Amino acid sequence: AQRVTQPEKLLSVFKGAPVELKCNYSYSGSPELFWYVQYSRQRLQLLLRHISRESIKGFTADLNKGETSFHLKKPFAQEEDSAMYYCALIIQGAQKLVFGQGTRLTINP
Amino acid sequence: DTGVSQDPRHKITKRGQNVTFRCDPISEHNRLYWYRQTLGQGPEFLTYFQNEAQLEKSRLLSDRFSAERPKGSFSTLEIQRTEQGDSAMYLCASSFSGTGYYGYTFGSGTRLTVV
Repeated sequence: AQRVTQPEKLLSVFKGAPVELKCNYSYSGSPELFWYVQYSRQRLQLLLRHISRESIKGFTADLNKGETSFHLKKPFAQEEDSAMYYCALIIQGAQKLVFGQGTRLTINP
Repeated sequence: DTGVSQDPRHKITKRGQNVTFRCDPISEHNRLYWYRQTLGQGPEFLTYFQNEAQLEKSRLLSDRFSAERPKGSFSTLEIQRTEQGDSAMYLCASSFSGTGYYGYTFGSGTRLTVV
């Protein structure tokens, strides 16, 4: 069965510190993975996708097929990074996203 | 076009009542999705449409749930005989099939509380 696991419900770091949000997945096919973010009082929005290998707002994520992981990283956290982060994978053909439980990231000043 | 719109934003209903939610997708998007999000969980897929055809329904969508997209534009999600377990945020998203899944745009959601 397809599953996305985010082991940390809450993560708190100080401004300027590195941050890593963990995501592990279970999928029998070739995975396509994403990170979505929801800032306070805003709608869910795409942060980045693994296939594009881009850095958005200083965040990067590398797909590790051996460890079935797609951790989100940022070297220096900023207060505006405080938000709810969801890791998700797409079921190919079905066009539906499977989300993890989410990690609430709080950046302390 | 201001994105995906959902109405109402909040709905409080008594157990046993029927409720209907509406989603207006981005006008050029031909795919429309419904997700449900309960407290402390990520969104869970319910169903999706391509144009007016409902192509997939999750097992989460019991017989009390029905979704329509009659003209391939807006969609409605109806819950009959609501139960307390139906309390959740109901999210709508749309995309254009030409962009695949990268083009998902979510609405702000409808928060349902069943008392």
